[in-house]
Amino acid sequence: SQELEQSPQSLIVQEGKNLTINCTSSKTLYGLYWYKQKYGEGLIFLMMLQKGGEEKSHEKITAKLDEKKQQSSLHITASQPSHAGIYLCGAERDKLVFGAGTILRVKS
Amino acid sequence: GAGVSQSPSNKVTEKGKDVELRCDPISGHTALYWYRQSLGQGLEFLIYFQGNSAPDKSGLPSDRFSAERTGGSVSTLTIQRTQQEDSAVYLCASTPDRGRETQYFGPGTRLLVL
Repeated sequence: SQELEQSPQSLIVQEGKNLTINCTSSKTLYGLYWYKQKYGEGLIFLMMLQKGGEEKSHEKITAKLDEKKQQSSLHITASQPSHAGIYLCGAERDKLVFGAGTILRVKS
Repeated sequence: GAGVSQSPSNKVTEKGKDVELRCDPISGHTALYWYRQSLGQGLEFLIYFQGNSAPDKSGLPSDRFSAERTGGSVSTLTIQRTQQEDSAVYLCASTPDRGRETQYFGPGTRLLVL
């Protein structure tokens, strides 16, 4: 099993709807990263969370870190087709480890 | 400005052949990373270069894998005697310094070993 479990594995939402993607770690989280990947493009760094309870926002995307639960959630408000892609969480160990990704499709 | 570039974008090779994958980081970035993404799996760290320091090779899966970074800029990842399980997307990233918060990724090289 992977150190980072993402859920759901894939998601289809109607444009304008909100959605949440979760990333759960089997070990203590000291730092967590969220990336987005579009087909044929490199990964895009979204944000990094370092402290328990920390919350960051980038446009309509908000991420939170719950250290006690060893979990981070990524929330997209009023989804748009431009949000479609693969969302990856990554965590700091002695190197970066990543989840398997969540595929997001947004229907117009 | 130019981002991280990788070449080739796609590579198909026969089992047992050697391949070289190239990464051109953003000019001035001192740190460079290689990752691998296999089908259905998350990203896997391979190797990390930071300036003139000895690289962190802890993620290389076998001694068939090696990487160089010449002049602190361009990096080449070499896979010798390729195996089918080496098929994956190989991603390169660079950062201005040790900080990982501003990691810039290239588009990747898709390697298929037949």
